[in-house]
Amino acid sequence: GENVGLHLPTLSVQEGDNSIINCAYSNSASDYFIWYKQESGKGPQFIIDIRSNMDKRQGQRVTVLLNKTVKHLSLQIAATQPGDSAVYFCAENIWTGTASKLTFGTGTRLQVTL
Amino acid sequence: DAGVIQSPRHEVTEMGQEVTLRCKPISGHNSLFWYRQTMMRGLELLIYFNNNVPIDDSGMPEDRFSAKMPNASFSTLKIQPSEPRDSAVYFCASRPEGSYEQYFGPGTRLTVT
Repeated sequence: GENVGLHLPTLSVQEGDNSIINCAYSNSASDYFIWYKQESGKGPQFIIDIRSNMDKRQGQRVTVLLNKTVKHLSLQIAATQPGDSAVYFCAENIWTGTASKLTFGTGTRLQVTL
Repeated sequence: DAGVIQSPRHEVTEMGQEVTLRCKPISGHNSLFWYRQTMMRGLELLIYFNNNVPIDDSGMPEDRFSAKMPNASFSTLKIQPSEPRDSAVYFCASRPEGSYEQYFGPGTRLTVT
C-alpha cells in the first residue's frame, strides 16, 4: 500500500545551525500536508501545513517545501534551538471519497546539541 | 481553551481485563480520531468519527476493540479483553469542520501485563 516514509530516523544538529528534515510520500492524490512536532510525553503538535497547489510555505523559523515531481516534502528549521529537540512527523491528507484523513510518517528525531 | 482532554493519563492492567479510555474533544470540533502509537508501528489511525458517527474504522485491530461517541463532547475506546500487545500510547484528536488540522490530546499510556 502507499505510505509516508522518512529518510533519516535521527538528526543531530548544533544549536544555531539550520535543520532539514525530509519526508517521502507515495500517494499522488494527497492534497494537503502537515508537519507535526512531538515532544517526549506529549501529543503531536501542529507546526506548519502546505496545500498540494503550493511548493513553499514559511512560518516563524520554519519553512516547508513540497516537490510533487519527486513526491518529497521537507521541513527547514532556522537557527535551531534546544527547544526544537523532538520527533517530527510529516502527514499527508487523503480524501477517500467519504472521509478526509491523515496518514503519518514514521518520524525523525531531532537532537540539538549545545 | 482546554484542548483535547484524555483520561486516564496512565493505565496499568492485567491481561484479560477490560480497559476504557476516554476523550473530550475541543468544543465545536465535529471530527474525532483515535490513534495508537508504538515504537514498532508508529502512529496508526484506529477510528474516525464525524458528527458523532463512525466514518472509518478500518484501523481497528480486531473485535476486542470498540469505540463510541454518544455525543459531541465525549468518546470512549474500549478494549475487552486486553492483551500485552495492546500496550501503547493511545491518542485522541479532534478537528474543526472545514480544516485538515487535527488537535491532539496528551495521550493515555496503556500497559497490559
